[in-house]
Amino acid sequence: NAGVTQTPKFRILKIGQSMTLQCTQDMNHNYMYWYRQDPGMGLKLIYYSVGAGITDKGEVPNGYNVSRSTTEDFPLRLELAAPSQTSVYFCASSSYRGHTEAFFGQGTRLTVV
Amino acid sequence: QQQVKQSPQSLIVQKGGISIINCAYENTAFDYFPWYQQFPGKGPALLIAIRPDVSEKKEGRFTISFNKSAKQFSLHIMDSQPGDSATYFCAATVNNDMRFGAGTRLTVKP
Repeated sequence: NAGVTQTPKFRILKIGQSMTLQCTQDMNHNYMYWYRQDPGMGLKLIYYSVGAGITDKGEVPNGYNVSRSTTEDFPLRLELAAPSQTSVYFCASSSYRGHTEAFFGQGTRLTVV
Repeated sequence: QQQVKQSPQSLIVQKGGISIINCAYENTAFDYFPWYQQFPGKGPALLIAIRPDVSEKKEGRFTISFNKSAKQFSLHIMDSQPGDSATYFCAATVNNDMRFGAGTRLTVKP
């Protein structure tokens, strides 16, 4: 059982480039989330989805986009990368809205130079 | 606005000692309070969680104390072990919104 799988694990982007962070879960969870983790700041919610075709903004959505075409996949798109997007990104999923255990992927460390 | 405030930022404890991490929240609508443990290079993993209708929950060496009137909750790690060295995050949840504290880096010295 793989759980939540994120790719890539590391990436260096130049300012203005775009990329997609991939996230797949095999637990048939309806709820999926994207967080960014900055040193000393905890995790900030970027976007979340309550099911295929339904997404909504979290606390820090600017500069990001998401889509949810299937239950399993929840990719995060960065358009026009900026140094402020240098961070560690975590995808998570849960079976119900927030009141149950959220399972996290291993993270993607992104550096924008 | 930091909706969940966590302290201390770092903590060093001797093996066998008690580790205590504190969190305070502002939004009284929060109704689920989990603690996550994160090892370097890994994603956070649920350690223990509590709902606001109970004042304490214990699982092995880990205990959450919850004070609803003060809007505070804390994690106690009894008989701390070097293997407990990790970063701990408190969180508070309402509906689909889970807000995290800034994290506490715990080091347990042998």
